[in-house]
Amino acid sequence: EAQVTQNPRYLITVTGKKLTVTCSQNMNHEYMSWYRQDPGLGLRQIYYSMNVEVTDKGDVPEGYKVSRKEKRNFPLILESPSPNQTSLYFCASSFTGQGTEQYFGPGTRLTVT
Amino acid sequence: GDSVTQMEGPVTLSEEAFLTINCTYTATGYPSLFWYVQYPGEGLQLLLKATKADDKGSNKGFEATYRKETTSFHLEKGSVQVSDSAVYFCALSPLNQAGTALIFGKGTTLSVSS
Repeated sequence: EAQVTQNPRYLITVTGKKLTVTCSQNMNHEYMSWYRQDPGLGLRQIYYSMNVEVTDKGDVPEGYKVSRKEKRNFPLILESPSPNQTSLYFCASSFTGQGTEQYFGPGTRLTVT
Repeated sequence: GDSVTQMEGPVTLSEEAFLTINCTYTATGYPSLFWYVQYPGEGLQLLLKATKADDKGSNKGFEATYRKETTSFHLEKGSVQVSDSAVYFCALSPLNQAGTALIFGKGTTLSVSS
């Protein structure tokens, strides 16, 4: 089954404790992206990757890192989480970045206390 | 820059009512337009899309027409069901922002009661 998977689905952590949210897709997509969803703000892009070893900042990259060592995986790293990073995070992928359908993962609900 | 504005919710309807969710956009050129739906506890999934002016996208009884004159892409359904309760996002794929696949509106929550 074609899908985007994220882990964990739910995470509660404390300020400053490094964490990684994994994202994997099995559709051989070149483009992958991370979004955060907050009430009243919709979805905002954090980082994106147009291919292996090619990543770039989206609209809200502060406090986040990503890597793209393999085509299928695109982990999101929070080196020192803060409470303002409490949010719902989605990973997405597509064949190309623009004009094509984005496939979304199920989301990761992160709470930072 | 490019942007999407959609009507604020929540929208509360009875089953079999007519649904309209308004969406307008500001963009350079003629971007592709999308409606995504997010069911409770799930990720977003594509509902329909239109790639050029006057195109009509349709799926599951939902329709939207790409209107360049009014820069709009309103979502409509003739008879909603309880199972349509979800958050609906209008989005565009910008032509002049390499790497930005989608720009989203803030979402409209639809609640349908029986």
